[in-house]
Amino acid sequence: EVHLVQSGAQVKEPGESLKISCEGSGYSFTNYWIGWVRLMPGKGLEWMGIIYPGDSDTRYSPSFQGQVTISADKSVNTAYLQLTSLKASDTAIYYCARLDPDFHTYFDYWGQGTLVTVSS
Amino acid sequence: QSVLTQPPSVSGAPGQRVTISCTGSTSNIGARYDVHWYQHLPGTVPKLLLYRNNNRPSGVPDRFSGSKSGASASLTISGLQAEDEADYYCHSYDSGLSGSVFGTGTKVTVL
Repeated sequence: EVHLVQSGAQVKEPGESLKISCEGSGYSFTNYWIGWVRLMPGKGLEWMGIIYPGDSDTRYSPSFQGQVTISADKSVNTAYLQLTSLKASDTAIYYCARLDPDFHTYFDYWGQGTLVTVSS
Repeated sequence: QSVLTQPPSVSGAPGQRVTISCTGSTSNIGARYDVHWYQHLPGTVPKLLLYRNNNRPSGVPDRFSGSKSGASASLTISGLQAEDEADYYCHSYDSGLSGSVFGTGTKVTVL
């Protein structure tokens, strides 16, 4: 069975950095794109970017390019989302999700989400 | 603001039929990129509802259906039920963004 397990909730102060992890199991992690999605309070889902763990090919949404870093370590079946210079507006739930294996276009499995709170 | 526009809210009585539109442009839906739909109940994980325009994953009731025409797509819930009260998002690829994008989201309320 496919599982994506994310790291736990974090509370950070403005200016700090954080790295969220997403560990995949139950499938060949190396061969499936993994994406990151943001859900800000009271807002809608936002597609942030995707990574192919096999070769770390990464694509970013223009809205998030330069603002976040997506990476993966295929040796531990884990993808990461790094945010630096945190602001209150980074407060959100961040989800990782797996792209379908055939067309690489839709998210078929999702992580449980990681709540990030940025507050002084 | 997303390049895929949805109505902020739709509502209906139990048993009624509701339709959610997803309006795009020639760089996404109009370019024949597939549209997918997700259901998101607050406090839970988004769930894939329809993929590639009108395909239901295993376990999704057949009262959910999708269609696409030109630069727009729609999700129809036939026979609305109380448990359908949730946020719904369309999702497609946009060539101008060189990446995927979610719609603005629609809150479905069961009266």
